[in-house]
Amino acid sequence: NAGVTQTPKFQVLKTGQSMTLQCAQDMNHNSMYWYRQDPGMGLRLIYYSASEGTTDKGEVPNGYNVSRLNKREFSLRLESAAPSQTSVYFCASSDLIDRLLSGNTIYFGEGSWLTVV
Amino acid sequence: ILNVEQSPQSLHVQEGDSTNFTCSFPSSNFYALHWYRWETAKSPEALFVMTLNGDEKKKGRISATLNTKEGYSYLYIKGSQPEDSATYLCAPGSGGYQKVTFGIGTKLQVIP
Repeated sequence: NAGVTQTPKFQVLKTGQSMTLQCAQDMNHNSMYWYRQDPGMGLRLIYYSASEGTTDKGEVPNGYNVSRLNKREFSLRLESAAPSQTSVYFCASSDLIDRLLSGNTIYFGEGSWLTVV
Repeated sequence: ILNVEQSPQSLHVQEGDSTNFTCSFPSSNFYALHWYRWETAKSPEALFVMTLNGDEKKKGRISATLNTKEGYSYLYIKGSQPEDSATYLCAPGSGGYQKVTFGIGTKLQVIP
């Protein structure tokens, strides 16, 4: 069972280049997320998609765009990469099965290490 | 977006010691509180989901309590082991289950 798969795992970009981080989940979850992790900052939500066809901004959306391509896939695009976007990016998914039993457990991908030089 | 505070930010304990740390969150519009364990170079994994005031959850030597009225949750580790070394994140959800915001975490180092 793959769970949440994100690619690439490692990427080095030059300032101004663009790239897309891909994410797919095979758990039939409705909600998907992109977080970034920086030292001393914890996990910060960039964008999320509550369900197919919807996307919403999180805490730090500037410089990013997202596409919820279908129920399985949620991509994150950096149109013009900046050194401040050097980070570890985590894709995640969740679903509300029963609030009292499971709440909204989030399942994470393994992370993508992005360096912008 | 919720303001979540976790304390302490880092903690060093000797193997065998018991320890605990705190997650504080706004008590209004509470939905659920999640605890995650995040080992270095891995992705966060869910420990507990807590939804009711007074909830207490346990998994092996790790347990957690929840007070939604005053807006805090405690995580306890009894008899810490080196494999417990990780960052422990809490994440309250509010105003809809999609809005899950993480605290910075408590980084626990268990010294053999």
